[in-house]
Amino acid sequence: DVKVTQSSRYLVKRTGEKVFLECVQDMDHENMFWYRQDPGLGLRLIYFSYDVKMKEKGDIPEGYSVSREKKERFSLILESASTNQTSMYLCASTAGSTDTQYFGPGTRLTVL
Amino acid sequence: KQEVTQIPAALSVPEGENLVLNCSFTDSAIYNLQWFRQDPGKGLTSLLLIQSSQREQTSGRLNASLDKSSGRSTLYIAASQPGDSATYLCAGNTGNQFYFGTGTSLTVIP
Repeated sequence: DVKVTQSSRYLVKRTGEKVFLECVQDMDHENMFWYRQDPGLGLRLIYFSYDVKMKEKGDIPEGYSVSREKKERFSLILESASTNQTSMYLCASTAGSTDTQYFGPGTRLTVL
Repeated sequence: KQEVTQIPAALSVPEGENLVLNCSFTDSAIYNLQWFRQDPGKGLTSLLLIQSSQREQTSGRLNASLDKSSGRSTLYIAASQPGDSATYLCAGNTGNQFYFGTGTSLTVIP
């Protein structure tokens, strides 16, 4: 079975802190994604990556950056956390662009 | 940009009932459509993936259909059980991106 893991289930940070969210997949998938999920807004794509060291902006990249140094690992970085970044963050991966998307368990981030 | 809508936002049914969840999308040029289940506070679990060349997919008590021309997909759940209670989301894939609906929250009452 495909397994996508995220570094933390719950995280509490202060405004202005630098925050790292990590995602690891074990199936040699090419594509990896970061979403945030908010009530009433659904899932919104922040960034995605289709290869090592490659990244593409999604619909809401402002305030975020990403890093993909190894194929299995995709990191989301909040350079200076703000309260409006309090959300559920979900990582996903796919083998190819038209294949099944597999999700991690999510990280509930609270910024105080 | 693809827009995906799911109606109703919430649904309650008695155990044993058959039910249909709806998903509509604005751009018929999708590669595939995927249905997910999400339990509270958890990630998404893939249920079914329908490629654009397919009309339907089945897995156990679940059957998903896709009609690209009308921009609609349905998820049929047969003989519903309390364990089916969750939020169900659909997502249309336009190539590099998946566009998600906001989900239907299903409660199956014992």
